[in-house]
Amino acid sequence: DGGITQSPKYLFRKEGQNVTLSCEQNLNHDAMYWYRQDPGQGLRLIYYSQIVNDFQKGDIAEGYSVSREKKESFPLTVTSAQKNPTAFYLCASSLDGGLTGNTIYFGEGSWLTVV
Amino acid sequence: QKEVEQNSGPLSVPEGAIASLNCTYSDRVSQSFFWYRQYSGKSPELIMSIYSNGDKEDGRFTAQLNKASQYVSLLIRDSQPSDSATYLCAVKDYQLIWGAGTKLIIKP
Repeated sequence: DGGITQSPKYLFRKEGQNVTLSCEQNLNHDAMYWYRQDPGQGLRLIYYSQIVNDFQKGDIAEGYSVSREKKESFPLTVTSAQKNPTAFYLCASSLDGGLTGNTIYFGEGSWLTVV
Repeated sequence: QKEVEQNSGPLSVPEGAIASLNCTYSDRVSQSFFWYRQYSGKSPELIMSIYSNGDKEDGRFTAQLNKASQYVSLLIRDSQPSDSATYLCAVKDYQLIWGAGTKLIIKP
C-alpha cells in the first residue's frame, strides 16, 4: 500500500542529545514536509522540500535540520539547540509543493519526549 | 501575518444533529481550502477540499466556501459519536496555513 511511514513512533531524548526522525514515502510525491504539533495547538511548519537536494526553512526551523538525498526520504534531526523539543512530529507529502491545491497527506506521527 | 481562525471549542452536538464548524482566513488570494479530522493522538486525515465558491458535498459532509466573506465551513449531518475529533481548517495560496482546530464532541 502507498503511504508515508514515520519511525520511531515514540522517542525519548536526553538533554544535549541529537535525535533523528525517519520519514519515508512511496507515493512518488515531489514535496515533503515536517510539522510540529504541541498539545491543543495547530500545526507549525519546520522544514519543507519541493525537490530532491533542496529544502527550505519553515516557521520554526531553529534547532532542527533536514536532508533530502532521495525523493522517498526526508529525515528530521532534532538537535540539542532545540530547547523544548517535546511534541508530536508529523511528516507529510504532496504531489508537488506549488500553487496547485494538491492535498497534503500525513504519516502517523512521532512522539518525542525529553527526559 | 496570514491567519486562519477557528473556534477552539469544544463544540458539543447531540447524536443525529448537524454539526457546523467554521473557519475564517485573512489572505484574500487564498485558492485552496481543506478540512482535516484529527483524532486524539493521531495524525490528521483529509475530509474535504474545496476550491470554488459554493457547496461541495461528500456523504454526510458538506464544505461551504465564501471567498468574498473569507470563510469556509464544514457541516456534518447525522452526527455520530465517531465524528468526535478535532477538525483542522487549512488554507493555501503559495503556502498552507493551518488553523488551531475545533474540538467536536458528539453526545450519544
